[in-house]
Amino acid sequence: AQKVTQAQTEISVVEKEDVTLDCVYETRDTTYYLFWYKQPPSGELVFLIRRNSFDEQNEISGRYSWNFQKSTSSFNFTITASQVVDSAVYFCALGFQGAQKLVFGQGTRLTINP
Amino acid sequence: NAGVTQTPKFRVLKTGQSMTLLCAQDMNHEYMYWYRQDPGMGLRLIHYSVGEGTTAKGEVPDGYNVSRLKKQNFLLGLESAAPSQTSVYFCASSYTIWRGTYNEQFFGPGTRLTVL
Repeated sequence: AQKVTQAQTEISVVEKEDVTLDCVYETRDTTYYLFWYKQPPSGELVFLIRRNSFDEQNEISGRYSWNFQKSTSSFNFTITASQVVDSAVYFCALGFQGAQKLVFGQGTRLTINP
Repeated sequence: NAGVTQTPKFRVLKTGQSMTLLCAQDMNHEYMYWYRQDPGMGLRLIHYSVGEGTTAKGEVPDGYNVSRLKKQNFLLGLESAAPSQTSVYFCASSYTIWRGTYNEQFFGPGTRLTVL
């Protein structure tokens, strides 16, 4: 079965702190894709990153970075020097071969306090 | 480009009423999806379509029907609304899998539905 677990329901930090959002996935497929989406208070879902199962290189995009570790089935997301505009619900999702469908985690609500 | 649009943005129904949610995309995407979002449960797939004239069931299809008569439109119908269908509904679309690449989904702004 395909499953994504985001154990952190809510996180609250003070601006400029670093914060890591955890994502653990389950799949028996050898080929799969992992995604992160952001849902700001306005409600729309914004695509952040896609990573395939054969590429374990970490990725950095500005203040955002992602750590993919197949050994622990994790795809964690770190925001460095957080800002109030980072406040949102963040979803991790799994796409698996043979079906263009996504399985989403429960989401983590991140609040950055000024 | 408007991307993915959804109509209406808000709706209140009484139990037993019916309604149709419209999703439209102007990106020429083959695949389209309907999700529902409930507190603490993330997004769950209701139905999806891999091309014009085709539909398939997702994780939570009961109580919903869909149609994809035109490539750019994907309709979600509730024949007899129930309070359990109170939720935020999102439509999404994506390109087909190409050279093994699993493409990201683009989401609409959502429809907030309340069933009394």
